[in-house]
Amino acid sequence: GESVGLHLPTLSVQEGDNSIINCAYSNSASDYFIWYKQESGKGPQFIIDIRSNMDKRQGQRVTVLLNKTVKHLSLQIAATQPGDSAVYFCAEIESNFGNEKLTFGTGTRLTIIP
Amino acid sequence: DADVTQTPRNRITKTGKRIMLECSQTKGHDRMYWYRQDPGLGLRLIYYSFDVKDINKGEISDGYSVSRQAQAKFSLSLESAIPNQTALYFCATSDPTRTGGAQYFGPGTRLLVL
Repeated sequence: GESVGLHLPTLSVQEGDNSIINCAYSNSASDYFIWYKQESGKGPQFIIDIRSNMDKRQGQRVTVLLNKTVKHLSLQIAATQPGDSAVYFCAEIESNFGNEKLTFGTGTRLTIIP
Repeated sequence: DADVTQTPRNRITKTGKRIMLECSQTKGHDRMYWYRQDPGLGLRLIYYSFDVKDINKGEISDGYSVSRQAQAKFSLSLESAIPNQTALYFCATSDPTRTGGAQYFGPGTRLLVL
């Protein structure tokens, strides 16, 4: 079946360093990808998205890279801060005549070490 | 996110009881969703609605029902709660014409069924 997965379930990064969170997807028909951040006790929060016709998109301190050849998505967080500690998960969307099929990954827990 | 609110935030109930979780949104989105989140399993779709009077089953709809009372309101009911329905429940909204399919989540309802 189709799946969205993450290579590492946990990641610890020193405050101030950059972090990279990876995601593998298997649905080659997915045309839209999203990264979410979920802090403890809160709902998932939209961070950044990217369409399949792009390979890179930058936001504030975050960059998403898409490699369609190997079906790989990554989220780079620059100069990590304590507030970046959270679970991050990717989602892929296959659009089909207005019926979006959205599949979520299970998440990677990012811990920022002071 | 204040744009999507859920009530109650926490609920403890007993096996066999009927309970309702409510979701309201001020984002003006047509589409609304109910998910449950369990440790290690990620988000799983229960029901979704693309408009008032439109109701669709997700991957785990058994034991649940929903009602879309208005564009802004989407409620989830457990007709006869059972312990394996203990989970974190999230409501989400989207409008592909404006957000490209990204979903925006409420703060969640933590449900414990004894």
